[in-house]
Amino acid sequence: GAGVSQSPRYKVAKRGQDVALRCDPISGHVSLFWYQQALGQGPEFLTYFQNEAQLDKSGLPSDRFFAERPEGSVSTLKIQRTQQEDSAVYLCASSLASGNSPLHFGNGTRLTVT
Amino acid sequence: EDQVTQSPEALRLQEGESSSLNCSYTVSGLRGLFWYRQDPGKGPEFLFTLYSAGEEKEKERLKATLTKKESFLHITAPKPEDSATYLCAVQAATGFQKLVFGTGTRLLVSP
Repeated sequence: GAGVSQSPRYKVAKRGQDVALRCDPISGHVSLFWYQQALGQGPEFLTYFQNEAQLDKSGLPSDRFFAERPEGSVSTLKIQRTQQEDSAVYLCASSLASGNSPLHFGNGTRLTVT
Repeated sequence: EDQVTQSPEALRLQEGESSSLNCSYTVSGLRGLFWYRQDPGKGPEFLFTLYSAGEEKEKERLKATLTKKESFLHITAPKPEDSATYLCAVQAATGFQKLVFGTGTRLLVSP
C-alpha cells in the first residue's frame, strides 16, 4: 500500500519568503506528526494532530511556523518569513490511533533557505 | 525532560564483524522504545518496538534488547546493505504518541 507522501521533495526559498510543505498520510491513520531534522541530527518533534485537532504544538520553534489538517487527512506545514536557520529536512509521520503504534515516516522535504 | 543518548556516533565494521549499538534513555515512564533505520535522503524506517525490561526482538541480522536504562541493537555478521543510520526513540507513558529521538549511530559496513 501507499506510504506517507510528502511534497515537494526539495524546496529552495529566499530569506523572507513564505513556504508551504504538504503531507499525505497513510489512509486511515488518525495521528499525524511533523518533525524537523537538521543535518547529522535526529528528528525533533514539531507538532501533533489527532484527526483535525492539533493537540500538541509545543515543538514549533516560533510563531512563524503554522500547521493545519483541516479535514483530518492531508496536512500542511507553513513557514512564514523564512530564515536561514529554518534550513532542514521536514519529516511527516502518521500512525494508527493506538498509543504505541509505530510512526511511519515520509521521505521528507529538504528546505534550503538562501 | 525525556532524553535519549546514542553511542557510538559512528561505527565502521568489516562485513561479518558483529557489534552492538547503545541507546541510553531517561523518560518519565516508558510506554515504548523504538528503533528505526534511516538511509540517506529517506525517512526513518521502523524496525522494532520494545515495551518492558528484558524484552528482545529479532529481525534478520538485527536483535534489539531492553533494560530499565538502555537498549542495545546487536548486529550479527553484518553485510554492506546494513549500512545506514540507526535511530533510537522513546515514547513516554503519559501524553500523546510523540517520540523523542537520539542523534543516531551511523553504521558503515565494508565488504
